[in-house]
This record gives sequence, C-alpha cells and structure tokens, in this order.
Amino acid sequence: QTVVTQEPSLTVSPGGTVTLTCASSTGAVTSDYYPNWFQQKPGQAPRTLIYSTDNKHSWTPARFSGSLLGGKAALTLSGVQPEDEAEYYCLLYYGGARVFGGGTKLTVL
Amino acid sequence: EVQLVESGGGLVQPGGSLKLSCAASGFTFSSYEMNWVRQAPGKGLEWVSCISTGGDTVYYADSVKGRFTISRDNAQNSLGLQMNSLKDEDTAIYYCARGSAWSAWGQGALVTVSS
Repeated sequence: QTVVTQEPSLTVSPGGTVTLTCASSTGAVTSDYYPNWFQQKPGQAPRTLIYSTDNKHSWTPARFSGSLLGGKAALTLSGVQPEDEAEYYCLLYYGGARVFGGGTKLTVL
Repeated sequence: EVQLVESGGGLVQPGGSLKLSCAASGFTFSSYEMNWVRQAPGKGLEWVSCISTGGDTVYYADSVKGRFTISRDNAQNSLGLQMNSLKDEDTAIYYCARGSAWSAWGQGALVTVSS
C-alpha cells in the first residue's frame, strides 16, 4: 500500500514564508511522479494550484510555487495572505494510479 | 466557460448500486482524460478512478476495484461512475476533475450509504 505523507498542520504569520512537503513511501519523489498541489477551503471543491511539479494555472497566485526538495515534492508560499488559510493536498502518480497525501492544514496567525 | 456538473448522488443501502454522472461543457471533452475523486465527511481527498480520452484505458483505486466502473460518452460530453456493492465507507462527496493538469473540478455529488 503506497502512502503519501504531508505535514498534518503548519502555522505561518501573515507575510511569512512556509514550505509544505509531500513524501512517498516508495522513496524519493521525482518529476516522474508528476506532483500536483490542491487548495481546499471549508465547504468548497478543491482548486488546483500546481501541476507536474512546478507548473501554475492562470489562476494560481504568484506567491505559490512548486518544486522538488530533498527527495520530496514541495509547495512554497511566499508572502502568505490571510486568505491562504486552507487545507492543502498533494497528489502523486504511480503509473496509472494516483494517490493523495493526507493533507496539511495551514493556519495563518 | 468550463463547467463540470455532477449528478446522481443520493441515499442508498449497503450492497446497493448508484450511478454518478458528470456533465461537461465549455471545452472539448474528448481531448481530456477524466478523474473521479471522493471525500468522506471530515476526511481528506481520495482518488477513485481515471479514464483516458478514448475510454480504452481505465485505472481504479484498490478500495473500489471490482465494484466501480468508470465510463465516458464523448458524443454526449459525459463522464460516468457506476458504483455497485456499496459499503458504508463509500459515503462521500464525489468530484469529477478534468485532465492531467487537473484544470477543472465539479462541485461534487453526495453519496450516502446507510441502512
């Protein structure tokens, strides 16, 4: 059973920088896992921020960036805004299957 | 405007069946692989299934393999999910999502499995 692990919770101050990570139980995450990042706020459908490691959609704020860091996928928020408080999920590809991480609850305080 | 609208959710008894649909509009449906993702109450996202553009390649999560069947009708711009032998743990909001860039999501359909 493949497990994708994220930090359960993180807290950041407004204007600060925070990095969320996404690890695979199978080993180092590479671009072959096509990491994706999603934001979800209570009562809303998820919204895709990053696809295939570091690609942004037109609606993705510039302060969000995706990368590979120390064998994990990473989502960095620079200049955090209060509206960034949300749950963040990563998704990795394992051939045909996809697996979500458990999510990181980001608190902006 | 790109839109994905799920329908077909509802209350079903354990062991029962239900079919979800996802109506696509505002884009060339046949050009995108499609996914189903679910979210149990108060829990995280779980990938369920995906289907290739032509419908000839499908994948399932182990938790639904053998019970759920994904399908698509490119002429009708529609994605389907036939769910059989439903269990309590299948209770969730089911979302359809577009493509390998996950560039659009529906608002979800609630499926409740309960006696």
